[in-house]
Amino acid sequence: GAGVSQSPSNKVTEKGKDVELRCDPISGHTALYWYRQSLGQGLEFLIYFQGNSAPDKSGLPSDRFSAERTGGSVSTLTIQRTQQEDSAVYLCASSTRTSGRRAGELFFGEGSRLTVL
Amino acid sequence: QKEVEQDPGPLSVPEGAIVSLNCTYSNSAFQYFMWYRQYSRKGPELLMYTYSSGNKEDGRFTAQVDKSSKYISLFIRDSQPSDSATYLCAMSVIQGGSEKLVFGKGTKLTVNP
Repeated sequence: GAGVSQSPSNKVTEKGKDVELRCDPISGHTALYWYRQSLGQGLEFLIYFQGNSAPDKSGLPSDRFSAERTGGSVSTLTIQRTQQEDSAVYLCASSTRTSGRRAGELFFGEGSRLTVL
Repeated sequence: QKEVEQDPGPLSVPEGAIVSLNCTYSNSAFQYFMWYRQYSRKGPELLMYTYSSGNKEDGRFTAQVDKSSKYISLFIRDSQPSDSATYLCAMSVIQGGSEKLVFGKGTKLTVNP
């Protein structure tokens, strides 16, 4: 597709379960970002990938959160033992940024809306 | 004090009004300033990008940066119902080879026909 694709678009899970969220960036974009958006909290940075490596994972809120990227393309964000406070929209973005240069325009997906009961 | 402050609104205006959206920031090192627009249940999309102090105009939209006051604004002239969205300011700085990008919380705008 032409844009950033995220799946699932909606996920309802029970507290304590693990969830995986997938992001398929725009072809050729080397940089990939995960953000979390909660009501009234704005965009919270989670992790940044350049290729398959993550030079900045400072925003991951706890060790229950992890992410990987393979083949310089698809990324998966995994949340283990989900808690109610994890409920949010998880947004993925990609850009043509190369290491050490500013991001330029971020292209966002529509997000994965996670609800933890 | 948060690095970027943005009034969340909500802001409701009649069609045709001039809208002013604002952000203040505390980190004087920020170099790049952006405005993103986010429609309901969609991802944000870049609307305006500026680098230096001053004004940048694009159609009905004008972005203004005042680095001395650490204040940025987005003006929308002749607002339309299709402008109803959440507007997020964003700013960044390159430090040590990596970029720090910070978003405001967003201002929800409704333009009433």
